[in-house]
Amino acid sequence: DAGVTQSPTHLIKTRGQHVTLRCSPISGHKSVSWYQQVLGQGPQFIFQYYEKEERGRGNFPDRFSARQFPNYSSELNVNALLLGDSALYLCASSRRTSYNEQFFGPGTRLTVL
Amino acid sequence: QQQVKQSPQSLIVQKGGISIINCAYENTAFDYFPWYQQFPGKGPALLIAIRPDVSEKKEGRFTISFNKSAKQFSLHIMDSQPGDSATYFCAASDSGGGADGLTFGKGTHLIIQP
Repeated sequence: DAGVTQSPTHLIKTRGQHVTLRCSPISGHKSVSWYQQVLGQGPQFIFQYYEKEERGRGNFPDRFSARQFPNYSSELNVNALLLGDSALYLCASSRRTSYNEQFFGPGTRLTVL
Repeated sequence: QQQVKQSPQSLIVQKGGISIINCAYENTAFDYFPWYQQFPGKGPALLIAIRPDVSEKKEGRFTISFNKSAKQFSLHIMDSQPGDSATYFCAASDSGGGADGLTFGKGTHLIIQP
C-alpha cells in the first residue's frame, strides 16, 4: 500500500503570496493532520481533520486554513506568507482522531523569500 | 500547548552500544507516547509507541520505558548500528476526546560511530 503522499515536494514563494499544499492519506485512513517543522525543531501541530470536519487546531494564526475532501485528501492553505513560514510542512494520516498511530508523509519544503 | 522536554539534544554512541534518549511531560492527560525517527529530507517515521497502562514495550532492538509517577519515558536502542544515525523525536497526545495532535520534543540527533 502507498504511504502518505504530499505535493509539491518543494516550493519557493515570496512574502505576501498565498500557497496551497496537498496531502493524500493512506488508503482507509479518514483523519489527516498538518504539522509545521522548522529546521532543527520538532513538528508543531496545525490542524486535524476527520470525516471532512475540523477536529483540532493548534496555535497558528488565521492565515492558516485547511480542508478535507470527500476522498479524505486534504489541502493546507497559507495566506499572506511571512519569512517565518519557511518550514517543512508535514501531513499525517490515521484511521481516526483518537488512540491511533499517525503516519507522516515526506513533507513539502516551503521557502519564503 | 503543553511541553514535552527531550534530552540530550545530541548523542554519540559507538557501534554495538546502547543509545538512551529521555523525555519528560507535564500534561497528566497525555495517554499516548510515540517515538519517531527522522532522516534528513524525510518525514518522521513511527518507531514504537506506548500507553500508560504498561511500563515497558519492546520491539526488536527498540524499547520504551515508561514511568507514570515521574511523568517520564525513554527510548533505548540496543546494539546501535550506523544505520540508526538519525534524529529521534518523542511525542505525546491526549486521546481522550481532545484533538490537539501530537506534542513533540525538540529532537535528539543521534550519531552511531562505526
